[in-house]
Amino acid sequence: DGGITQSPKYLFRKEGQNVTLSCEQNLNHDAMYWYRQDPGQGLRLIYYSQIVNDFQKGDIAEGYSVSREKKESFPLTVTSAQKNPTAFYLCASSPRTGFYGYTFGSGTRLTVV
Amino acid sequence: SQQGEEDPQALSIQEGENATMNCSYKTSINNLQWYRQNSGRGLVHLILIRSNEREKHSGRLRVTLDTSKKSSSLLITASRAADTASYFCATDAGYSTLTFGKGTMLLVSP
Repeated sequence: DGGITQSPKYLFRKEGQNVTLSCEQNLNHDAMYWYRQDPGQGLRLIYYSQIVNDFQKGDIAEGYSVSREKKESFPLTVTSAQKNPTAFYLCASSPRTGFYGYTFGSGTRLTVV
Repeated sequence: SQQGEEDPQALSIQEGENATMNCSYKTSINNLQWYRQNSGRGLVHLILIRSNEREKHSGRLRVTLDTSKKSSSLLITASRAADTASYFCATDAGYSTLTFGKGTMLLVSP
């Protein structure tokens, strides 16, 4: 079945550590996105990529980094510079940007301990 | 920046009743989309309405769009307990990504 897979489902990070969240899709979509969701809040865009080896910052990119070396994969690294990383992280993809709905993964819940 | 704002923030109804959620936005859009999110899960795309469309149906869902008022509504008819979820509107303003609102939490009681 085609879809988008995020792993792990739960992740615990000690202060000062970098952690990487995985996002893989087998939908042959060109565009991929990372959103952050805080309790009772909407989704805020962290980074997005429209094509391999290219990505753009979203509204809250500070303290995060991404790579897009393969079409299928768009990992997100939460660095120690991110002051408040505890949140629910959602990865999504679409055939390309504009006029398409997004397919979302099931999310990764990151907690700083 | 958050473009869409849903109203109400929370809605509680009985099974069989209709549920209406509203979304207002600030700038011109290419299309508007509605998504559902079950607790602790990812979002699921429900329906997309283009800026030149006024109404769209999909099963028990009816979406309207009024570009003059910069608003949209999502109607779920004959609600079921399984419709309990958060519902988000998302706007495509031509900036390559969608902007999501804060959502409406819908509780459908048996």
